[in-house]
Amino acid sequence: SQQGEEDPQALSIQEGENATMNCSYKTSINNLQWYRQNSGRGLVHLILIRSNEREKHSGRLRVTLDTSKKSSSLLITASRAADTASYFCATDAGETSGSRLTFGEGTQLTVNP
Amino acid sequence: DAGVIQSPRHEVTEMGQEVTLRCKPISGHDYLFWYRQTMMRGLELLIYFNNNVPIDDSGMPEDRFSAKMPNASFSTLKIQPSEPRDSAVYFCASTVGGRNQPQHFGDGTRLSIL
Repeated sequence: SQQGEEDPQALSIQEGENATMNCSYKTSINNLQWYRQNSGRGLVHLILIRSNEREKHSGRLRVTLDTSKKSSSLLITASRAADTASYFCATDAGETSGSRLTFGEGTQLTVNP
Repeated sequence: DAGVIQSPRHEVTEMGQEVTLRCKPISGHDYLFWYRQTMMRGLELLIYFNNNVPIDDSGMPEDRFSAKMPNASFSTLKIQPSEPRDSAVYFCASTVGGRNQPQHFGDGTRLSIL
């Protein structure tokens, strides 16, 4: 199975609601990163959380990491139509992986105005 | 500051033809990554360079694929001969320092092999 699997695969909410996306992974990690991809564009880095951190905030984003469960969640509060995009988690699996990231399959978020 | 620049943005060609994708990383970045994105396989790392030297090419699917980085500001990904199954969006990304650093992506090249 792929390292970094997101769920749900698709999420549709109304503007102003919160959106939560989850990511599970299989091996130990050095850090976990979240990226956003708008249609037809490249990925944009949102936030990085290290393996010794449990929670991190950036504006309307909140990321949690539970290394015992090998899972992470991304919460977007007070969503806006402009948040409509695909969201990917990516894991850095530590020394044995060099500098490579392994990306999950993504969650497609639709925020309806 | 300019981000990662990829060219062309779109490429349509017939199978058997040679395809060359180009990437200019962000100035000062010492790592460059080539990815391929498809609906079936998601985002896959093909190869990455550190200081212009290929470090890990285990993701390169076949000998038909080759990548070079002749200098710190330019890289190419070449497919020869191309096949319809190579149709995908190809992304280049760069970063500085490697570990614990975000990667900066270009907007990709959408490749269609007929």
